[in-house]
Amino acid sequence: GESVGLHLPTLSVQEGDNSIINCAYSNSASDYFIWYKQESGKGPQFIIDIRSNMDKRQGQRVTVLLNKTVKHLSLQIAATQPGDSAVYFCAEYTFGNEKLTFGTGTRLTIIP
Amino acid sequence: NAGVMQNPRHLVRRRGQEARLRCSPMKGHSHVYWYRQLPEEGLKFMVYLQKENIIDESGMPKERFSAEFPKEGPSILRIQQVVRGDSAAYFCASSPRVPGQSYEQYFGPGTRLTVT
Repeated sequence: GESVGLHLPTLSVQEGDNSIINCAYSNSASDYFIWYKQESGKGPQFIIDIRSNMDKRQGQRVTVLLNKTVKHLSLQIAATQPGDSAVYFCAEYTFGNEKLTFGTGTRLTIIP
Repeated sequence: NAGVMQNPRHLVRRRGQEARLRCSPMKGHSHVYWYRQLPEEGLKFMVYLQKENIIDESGMPKERFSAEFPKEGPSILRIQQVVRGDSAAYFCASSPRVPGQSYEQYFGPGTRLTVT
């Protein structure tokens, strides 16, 4: 079946540095790709999304890049802060399918 | 505007007992989704409901699991005769669902079910 997968299970980054979290997907019919942040003991929190007809989208300190040729998605977090420590999930959504399909997750740890 | 509410936040059940998980969607949202998350894994879709209707239950185990979203009151995920493998975090999400325009799902804090 369709899946969304991540390259790295863990990532440690020095505070203040930029971090890049990667995600591979297999469903070329996806309409949206979304990044969620999940802190310990909490539900997923929306960070940023990108529609499938776009290549790049920027938010506050975050940028999502979409490469449809190689079916790759990345989340860049600029100037990481201790509060960025969490597990990050990519997910895809297809209209008509209605459900979010999540990847396994990458645990981001910020080193002070 | 209160977010999605789930209760209880933690639930401990012995094998063979029933577990009832409740979800109150955001005000004005009439679409509810349930997801299950095993430790160190991503969320897996279980069921999608509108008021009084099950729209998609393709992720629900065939036995012991059921869900409802009545006209009044919260959505309920019921697990009968729980087994240790049911131990997981169960998340509810709600959506205003504008057909063909909106996918946004807002997640609750989850219910952590532990089966002993």
